[in-house]
Amino acid sequence: EAQVTQNPRYLITVTGKKLTVTCSQNMNHEYMSWYRQDPGLGLRQIYYSMNVEVTDKGDVPEGYKVSRKEKRNFPLILESPSPNQTSLYFCASSKTSGRWETQYFGPGTRLLVL
Amino acid sequence: DQQVKQNSPSLSVQEGRISILNCDYTNSMFDYFLWYKKYPAEGPTFLISISSIKDKNEDGRFTVFLNKSAKHLSLHIVPSQPGDSAVYFCAASYTGNQFYFGTGTSLTVIP
Repeated sequence: EAQVTQNPRYLITVTGKKLTVTCSQNMNHEYMSWYRQDPGLGLRQIYYSMNVEVTDKGDVPEGYKVSRKEKRNFPLILESPSPNQTSLYFCASSKTSGRWETQYFGPGTRLLVL
Repeated sequence: DQQVKQNSPSLSVQEGRISILNCDYTNSMFDYFLWYKKYPAEGPTFLISISSIKDKNEDGRFTVFLNKSAKHLSLHIVPSQPGDSAVYFCAASYTGNQFYFGTGTSLTVIP
């Protein structure tokens, strides 16, 4: 089944403790992206990747890192999480970058930073 | 600053009637617009899109209208069904890599 998977689905952590949220897709997609969803703010793009080793900042990249060493994986790294990073995170992928490509979203990871 | 806005957080419609969801944007560079639908505990799923060279795009019960001069787009669902109850996000792009989403409108279709 074609899908985007995220792990973990739920995570409670404490301020400053490094964490990684994994994202994997099995559709051989070139483009992948991370978003966060917050009440009253909708979805905001954090980082995106057009292909392996090609990443760029989205609208709200501060406090996050990403890497794209393999085509299928696009982990989101929070080196020193803070409470304002408490949010619902979505990973998405599409066949290529470009307006016409449909993005497929993962099920989301709910993060609480205490 | 929010470049894509959905000013109605919620909308209730009777089954069988038309649902109209609205979206406004500020960046005149946007040339591609999308609507996504989101159920609780799931990721958004693509619904319909429109290029700025068109003013209307239809797909079954769903039609998106674009008014470039007003920087406004709308999604019409006719007829509305209870299964359409979800949160709807509009989104816009001009690079194809960066996407800007609205805050979402929660649609409830009453049987």
